[in-house]
Amino acid sequence: DSGVTQTPKHLITATGQRVTLRCSPRSGDLSVYWYQQSLDQGLQFLIQYYNGEERAKGNILERFSAQQFPDLHSELNLSSLELGDSALYFCASSVDGGGAPHYEQYFGPGTRLTVT
Amino acid sequence: SQQGEEDPQALSIQEGENATMNCSYKTSINNLQWYRQNSGRGLVHLILIRSNEREKHSGRLRVTLDTSKKSSSLLITASRAADTASYFCATGAQKLVFGQGTRLTINP
Repeated sequence: DSGVTQTPKHLITATGQRVTLRCSPRSGDLSVYWYQQSLDQGLQFLIQYYNGEERAKGNILERFSAQQFPDLHSELNLSSLELGDSALYFCASSVDGGGAPHYEQYFGPGTRLTVT
Repeated sequence: SQQGEEDPQALSIQEGENATMNCSYKTSINNLQWYRQNSGRGLVHLILIRSNEREKHSGRLRVTLDTSKKSSSLLITASRAADTASYFCATGAQKLVFGQGTRLTINP
C-alpha cells in the first residue's frame, strides 16, 4: 500500500458525460501528479500540482482539468467524454515537486474509466 | 514519444532463474526509476538510481545505469511467481516519462 488513495476504483459512463476522479496523497506529500494509462498511448503524464498550484503540464486535453485543494487532495475532471478516454487514471504523490531532481513518486491504485 | 524504451517487450522464465530487463532513453537525465505493475493495478516504486551512480541494489533487485550509452538494466535474481508483472523504467523530474514496459512471466 503506497498510502495514496483514489476513488472510485471503477467508473462506467456514457459518451458526452462528465466525471470527477479523486485522489488523496500520502501524508506529508505536497505534490500530486495525474497520469493516464491506455493500451495505445501507454503511461502518459497529464498534470502536476504542488501545494495547491499547477506546477507542470503534460499531454492533458482541454476537456480535462484538475485542481488541488487546501487539504492537498486533488480532483481530475474529465468532460465531454469520448470512447478514447477509456483508460486507467493514476494519481501519484511525492514529498517534493518544487524542483529537487531526486525523489520518488508513489502511485495510487488507479481509477479504471470505461466510456460506452 | 516515449523517453524510455524497454527491451524485451515480453520475457518468460522459470521460477528461480534470473530476469534481466533493459531500458534505453534519449536525453540526459538526473535519475532513472524502475516501477512494477501487477496486472491492471497501481505502479509500485522499486528503485531510483541517480545519474552519478552506476549500480544500486535493493533485495533481489540490481539496477545498473550507463549514462554514456543512455541505458539502464534491471536484474531480478532468484525469480518467484510473485515477480510476474510489467516493469517500467521512467525518467524525468516532475513529469515522469515511461517506456512501454517489459511483461515478465515467471513459470512455476
